[in-house]
Amino acid sequence: GAGVSQSPRYKVTKRGQDVALRCDPISGHVSLYWYRQALGQGPEFLTYFNYEAQQDKSGLPNDRFSAERPEGSISTLTIQRTEQRDSAMYRCASSLVGSQGAGNTEAFFGQGTRLTVV
Amino acid sequence: GQNIDQPTEMTATEGAIVQINCTYQTSGFNGLFWYQQHAGEAPTFLSYNVLDGLEEKGRFSSFLSRSKGYSYLLLKELQMKDSASYLCAVLAPSGNTPLVFGKGTRLSVIA
Repeated sequence: GAGVSQSPRYKVTKRGQDVALRCDPISGHVSLYWYRQALGQGPEFLTYFNYEAQQDKSGLPNDRFSAERPEGSISTLTIQRTEQRDSAMYRCASSLVGSQGAGNTEAFFGQGTRLTVV
Repeated sequence: GQNIDQPTEMTATEGAIVQINCTYQTSGFNGLFWYQQHAGEAPTFLSYNVLDGLEEKGRFSSFLSRSKGYSYLLLKELQMKDSASYLCAVLAPSGNTPLVFGKGTRLSVIA
Protein backbone atom coordinates (compact mmCIF):
# COMPACT_ATOMS: atom_id res chain seq x y z
CA GLY A 1 0.00 0.00 0.00
CA ALA A 2 0.90 3.66 -0.22
CA GLY A 3 1.44 4.00 3.50
CA VAL A 4 1.15 2.12 6.76
CA SER A 5 -2.48 1.37 7.48
CA GLN A 6 -3.85 0.59 10.92
CA SER A 7 -7.34 -0.55 11.86
CA PRO A 8 -9.50 0.22 13.60
CA ARG A 9 -8.66 3.91 14.06
CA TYR A 10 -10.66 3.96 17.30
CA LYS A 11 -11.62 1.10 19.57
CA VAL A 12 -13.70 1.30 22.73
CA THR A 13 -13.91 -1.92 24.67
CA LYS A 14 -15.09 -3.05 28.06
CA ARG A 15 -12.63 -4.10 30.69
CA GLY A 16 -11.91 -7.81 30.46
CA GLN A 17 -12.54 -8.10 26.72
CA ASP A 18 -9.86 -9.09 24.21
CA VAL A 19 -8.91 -6.74 21.37
CA ALA A 20 -6.96 -7.23 18.17
CA LEU A 21 -5.25 -4.31 16.47
CA ARG A 22 -4.18 -4.66 12.87
CA CYS A 23 -1.25 -3.17 10.99
CA ASP A 24 -0.74 -3.35 7.23
CA PRO A 25 2.80 -2.13 6.50
CA ILE A 26 4.17 -0.59 3.32
CA SER A 27 4.51 -3.30 0.70
CA GLY A 28 7.98 -4.83 0.71
CA HIS A 29 9.01 -3.48 4.08
CA VAL A 30 10.96 -6.05 6.03
CA SER A 31 10.77 -4.57 9.52
CA LEU A 32 7.62 -3.86 11.48
CA TYR A 33 7.47 -2.18 14.88
CA TRP A 34 4.68 -1.78 17.44
CA TYR A 35 4.72 1.16 19.84
CA ARG A 36 2.41 2.55 22.49
CA GLN A 37 2.21 6.29 22.92
CA ALA A 38 0.70 8.14 25.85
CA LEU A 39 -0.40 11.74 25.42
CA GLY A 40 2.57 14.09 25.47
CA GLN A 41 5.10 11.28 25.48
CA GLY A 42 7.33 9.64 22.88
CA PRO A 43 6.49 6.24 21.39
CA GLU A 44 7.26 3.39 23.80
CA PHE A 45 8.69 0.29 22.11
CA LEU A 46 6.59 -2.87 22.40
CA THR A 47 7.84 -5.41 19.86
CA TYR A 48 9.55 -5.78 16.49
CA PHE A 49 9.52 -8.17 13.53
CA ASN A 50 11.82 -8.85 10.62
CA TYR A 51 9.71 -10.66 8.04
CA GLU A 52 7.60 -13.10 10.09
CA ALA A 53 10.13 -13.52 12.89
CA GLN A 54 9.54 -11.68 16.13
CA GLN A 55 13.00 -10.34 16.92
CA ASP A 56 12.36 -8.61 20.20
CA LYS A 57 9.33 -8.56 22.49
CA SER A 58 11.03 -7.08 25.49
CA GLY A 59 8.73 -4.06 25.49
CA LEU A 60 5.48 -5.98 25.85
CA PRO A 61 4.18 -4.98 29.32
CA ASN A 62 2.98 -8.43 30.40
CA ASP A 63 1.74 -11.74 29.05
CA ARG A 64 -1.67 -10.31 28.15
CA PHE A 65 0.04 -8.68 25.18
CA SER A 66 1.10 -10.67 22.12
CA ALA A 67 1.85 -9.99 18.48
CA GLU A 68 2.21 -11.98 15.31
CA ARG A 69 3.10 -11.45 11.69
CA PRO A 70 2.52 -14.91 10.22
CA GLU A 71 3.22 -14.18 6.54
CA GLY A 72 5.73 -11.42 6.96
CA SER A 73 3.30 -8.69 6.01
CA ILE A 74 0.19 -7.83 8.07
CA SER A 75 0.67 -7.89 11.83
CA THR A 76 -1.80 -8.17 14.69
CA LEU A 77 -1.26 -6.94 18.23
CA THR A 78 -3.60 -8.70 20.65
CA ILE A 79 -4.41 -7.60 24.16
CA GLN A 80 -6.26 -10.13 26.28
CA ARG A 81 -8.43 -9.30 29.29
CA THR A 82 -8.03 -5.58 28.73
CA GLU A 83 -7.58 -3.24 31.68
CA GLN A 84 -8.15 0.51 31.92
CA ARG A 85 -4.39 1.11 32.07
CA ASP A 86 -4.14 -0.35 28.53
CA SER A 87 -5.91 2.75 27.17
CA ALA A 88 -3.48 4.50 24.83
CA MET A 89 -2.59 5.19 21.21
CA TYR A 90 -1.04 2.10 19.63
CA ARG A 91 1.19 2.85 16.65
CA CYS A 92 2.71 0.62 14.04
CA ALA A 93 5.71 1.53 11.90
CA SER A 94 7.52 -0.22 9.08
CA SER A 95 10.91 0.20 7.44
CA LEU A 96 12.55 -1.25 4.38
CA VAL A 97 15.30 -2.88 6.39
CA GLY A 98 15.84 -3.41 10.09
CA SER A 99 18.64 -2.35 12.35
CA GLN A 100 21.04 -4.67 10.62
CA GLY A 101 20.67 -2.76 7.38
CA ALA A 102 23.09 -0.08 6.36
CA GLY A 103 22.20 3.47 5.55
CA ASN A 104 18.87 5.15 5.94
CA THR A 105 16.38 2.83 7.60
CA GLU A 106 13.65 5.38 8.12
CA ALA A 107 10.51 4.06 9.79
CA PHE A 108 7.12 5.14 8.46
CA PHE A 109 4.29 5.36 10.96
CA GLY A 110 0.61 4.60 10.62
CA GLN A 111 -2.12 6.85 12.01
CA GLY A 112 -2.49 4.62 15.04
CA THR A 113 -5.36 2.94 16.88
CA ARG A 114 -6.77 4.87 19.82
CA LEU A 115 -7.79 2.22 22.37
CA THR A 116 -10.11 3.15 25.21
CA VAL A 117 -10.93 0.57 27.86
CA VAL A 118 -14.02 1.43 29.92
CA GLY B 1 20.07 -0.47 28.43
CA GLN B 2 18.74 2.51 26.54
CA ASN B 3 18.46 6.06 27.81
CA ILE B 4 17.55 9.02 25.63
CA ASP B 5 17.12 12.49 27.11
CA GLN B 6 15.62 15.62 25.59
CA PRO B 7 14.10 18.74 27.11
CA THR B 8 10.37 18.45 27.71
CA GLU B 9 9.31 21.82 26.37
CA MET B 10 10.77 24.80 24.53
CA THR B 11 9.36 28.10 23.34
CA ALA B 12 10.78 30.24 20.55
CA THR B 13 9.74 33.25 18.50
CA GLU B 14 8.64 33.21 14.89
CA GLY B 15 11.60 33.90 12.61
CA ALA B 16 14.17 32.89 15.21
CA ILE B 17 16.51 29.88 15.46
CA VAL B 18 16.05 27.09 18.01
CA GLN B 19 18.28 24.17 18.93
CA ILE B 20 16.78 21.01 20.44
CA ASN B 21 19.32 18.78 22.16
CA CYS B 22 19.31 15.01 22.62
CA THR B 23 21.73 12.92 24.65
CA TYR B 24 21.77 9.15 24.58
CA GLN B 25 23.34 6.15 26.26
CA THR B 26 22.51 3.00 24.34
CA SER B 27 23.76 -0.55 23.83
CA GLY B 28 25.22 -0.09 20.37
CA PHE B 29 24.53 2.56 17.78
CA ASN B 30 23.48 2.39 14.13
CA GLY B 31 22.27 5.93 13.70
CA LEU B 32 20.04 8.63 15.13
CA PHE B 33 16.75 9.91 13.76
CA TRP B 34 14.76 13.06 14.36
CA TYR B 35 11.01 12.93 13.82
CA GLN B 36 8.38 15.67 13.91
CA GLN B 37 4.96 14.98 15.37
CA HIS B 38 2.08 17.43 15.21
CA ALA B 39 -0.66 17.02 17.79
CA GLY B 40 -2.93 14.11 16.96
CA GLU B 41 -0.83 12.97 14.02
CA ALA B 42 1.76 10.28 13.31
CA PRO B 43 5.48 11.03 13.62
CA THR B 44 7.14 11.96 10.33
CA PHE B 45 10.82 11.63 9.43
CA LEU B 46 13.04 14.71 9.50
CA SER B 47 16.66 13.53 9.50
CA TYR B 48 19.10 10.68 9.98
CA ASN B 49 22.71 10.88 11.18
CA VAL B 50 25.10 7.96 11.45
CA LEU B 51 28.44 9.80 11.07
CA ASP B 52 29.70 12.72 13.13
CA GLY B 53 28.92 16.15 11.80
CA LEU B 54 26.15 18.35 10.52
CA GLU B 55 23.50 17.34 7.99
CA GLU B 56 21.61 20.27 6.50
CA LYS B 57 18.22 20.01 4.85
CA GLY B 58 16.57 23.31 4.12
CA ARG B 59 15.56 25.10 7.32
CA PHE B 60 16.38 22.02 9.41
CA SER B 61 19.85 20.73 10.30
CA SER B 62 20.89 17.85 12.53
CA PHE B 63 24.23 17.32 14.25
CA LEU B 64 25.77 14.20 15.74
CA SER B 65 28.74 13.52 18.01
CA ARG B 66 29.02 9.79 18.62
CA SER B 67 31.84 10.11 21.14
CA LYS B 68 29.71 12.42 23.28
CA GLY B 69 26.43 10.59 22.73
CA TYR B 70 24.92 13.88 21.64
CA SER B 71 22.77 15.23 18.84
CA TYR B 72 20.88 18.40 18.17
CA LEU B 73 18.20 19.51 15.75
CA LEU B 74 18.49 23.09 14.55
CA LEU B 75 15.45 24.84 13.16
CA LYS B 76 15.98 28.16 11.38
CA GLU B 77 13.54 30.88 10.33
CA LEU B 78 10.91 29.44 12.61
CA GLN B 79 7.33 29.39 11.38
CA MET B 80 4.14 28.92 13.36
CA LYS B 81 3.64 25.55 11.66
CA ASP B 82 6.85 24.32 13.29
CA SER B 83 4.98 24.10 16.59
CA ALA B 84 5.07 20.36 17.23
CA SER B 85 6.83 17.67 19.23
CA TYR B 86 10.32 16.69 18.07
CA LEU B 87 11.37 13.12 18.79
CA CYS B 88 14.94 11.86 18.97
CA ALA B 89 15.32 8.11 18.24
CA VAL B 90 18.36 5.85 18.29
CA LEU B 91 18.70 2.87 15.97
CA ALA B 92 20.48 -0.05 17.60
CA PRO B 93 22.36 -2.87 15.89
CA SER B 94 20.91 -6.33 15.48
CA GLY B 95 20.56 -8.08 18.83
CA ASN B 96 19.55 -4.91 20.63
CA THR B 97 16.17 -3.27 20.97
CA PRO B 98 15.96 -1.22 17.79
CA LEU B 99 14.64 2.30 17.22
CA VAL B 100 14.12 3.57 20.73
CA PHE B 101 12.52 7.00 21.09
CA GLY B 102 13.03 9.74 23.61
CA LYS B 103 10.03 11.36 25.29
CA GLY B 104 10.02 14.20 22.79
CA THR B 105 10.40 17.98 23.03
CA ARG B 106 7.26 20.04 22.62
CA LEU B 107 8.15 23.23 20.75
CA SER B 108 5.84 26.20 20.81
CA VAL B 109 6.47 28.96 18.26
CA ILE B 110 5.02 32.31 19.30
CA ALA B 111 4.52 35.51 17.35
